[in-house]
Amino acid sequence: EVQLQQSGAELVKPGASVKLSCKTSGYTFSNYYMSWLKQMPGQNIEWIGNIYGGNGGTGYNQKFKGKATLTVDKSSSTAYMDLSSLTSEDSAVYFCARLGLYPYYVMDAWGQGASVTVSS
Amino acid sequence: DIQMTQSPSLLSASVGDRVTLNCKASQNIYKNLAWYQQKLGEAPKLLIYNANSLQTGIPSRFSGSGSGTDFTLTISSLQPEDVATYFCQQYYSGYTFGAGTKLELK
Repeated sequence: EVQLQQSGAELVKPGASVKLSCKTSGYTFSNYYMSWLKQMPGQNIEWIGNIYGGNGGTGYNQKFKGKATLTVDKSSSTAYMDLSSLTSEDSAVYFCARLGLYPYYVMDAWGQGASVTVSS
Repeated sequence: DIQMTQSPSLLSASVGDRVTLNCKASQNIYKNLAWYQQKLGEAPKLLIYNANSLQTGIPSRFSGSGSGTDFTLTISSLQPEDVATYFCQQYYSGYTFGAGTKLELK
């Protein structure tokens, strides 16, 4: 069974950074891309970027360049997202989601989400 | 950027009803369209990909149709467990989600 287990909720101060994790199991991590997505309360879902588990190659939504940095650790089948210079606009639930294989690059398995609250 | 517009934003229906949700893309996305179901407090779940392909494990009462710019998700007989928000998503160029249709029981 494919599983994506995300790290817990974070309360961080404005201007700080936070690193979220997404530990996977049940599939070959290096054969798939991982996506990260943002959902603010009661709002739409935004795609942040993708990272390939095999070589760490990345692609970002222009809106999140400079805000999010995606990395992977193949040895532990874990994906990470660093969010920097946090403001109240970064308060949201963040999801990791596995991208399916070519040609259907859709999010076919999701983590449970991690809440980030930016507050002093 | 490709914009996705969903209608209606809120839909009330009774158990057993046939329900249709709509999604319109701002440009031709061929069949690069997925539908997700999100229940309160949970992560989204993939229902449909390639506009009309049912994801493994999803009940057959869910179906998708359309191509180009206009798409629909149909639930043939609404069940209580279908109460959720439904999002469409294009993956033709990057990834963009619609604002969602909230489906509630009448």
